[in-house]
Amino acid sequence: EIVLTQSPGTLSLSPGERATLSCRASQSVSSSYLAWYQQKPGQAPRLLIYGASSRATGIPDRFSGSGSGTDFTLTISRLEPEDFAVYYCQQYGSSPGLTFGGGTKVEIK
Amino acid sequence: EVQLVESGGGLVKPGGSLRLSCAASGFTFSSYSMNWVRQAPGKGLEWVSSISSSSSYIYYADSVKGRFTISRDNAKNSLYLQMNSLRAEDTAVYYCARVGGDYAYWGQGTLVTVSS
Repeated sequence: EIVLTQSPGTLSLSPGERATLSCRASQSVSSSYLAWYQQKPGQAPRLLIYGASSRATGIPDRFSGSGSGTDFTLTISRLEPEDFAVYYCQQYGSSPGLTFGGGTKVEIK
Repeated sequence: EVQLVESGGGLVKPGGSLRLSCAASGFTFSSYSMNWVRQAPGKGLEWVSSISSSSSYIYYADSVKGRFTISRDNAKNSLYLQMNSLRAEDTAVYYCARVGGDYAYWGQGTLVTVSS
């Protein structure tokens, strides 16, 4: 069973700053099946990145994903006020079902 | 437009049962695997169960195996989750989700509260 570990747990930044979020897998994950989600309070998760580095439809280009194997990164180049939320990485295809990381909360400093 | 609408949540006593439903529209339901994902209050996302398009393959998280049963009715475009022997730790918002390569569709969730 693959375990995804996200760090840091909380990131305190100001609008306009760059955010770098990490997702580490306990074993190698196919890049094709690594995704990132954003979730705001009271809302369902929203797909940001799929295939480790491809932006989903309608996602601004300040969001980018990278990585392979066991180390993946979500970068938000310049934080907008609406970007303060919780972010989850997720993998599928390597084992039955879906696996989620524990999440990183990006909060306003 | 793809829509997933969950229903059936509510307050139930420990040891009780509940059946969740997810009504799907806007896509050919019978062609896609479906999932249930839950989120306890203030916690992260936890995968619960998956079912293949024809119900041939079914998977459960260890935390619910033997207590929950996933099923679907492709004629009714509906996904179900039968939850038995409910525990306090099953308290969560339950989401119906269709997740694939370049897409992810989620319902708005239905809250299940297990409490005496």
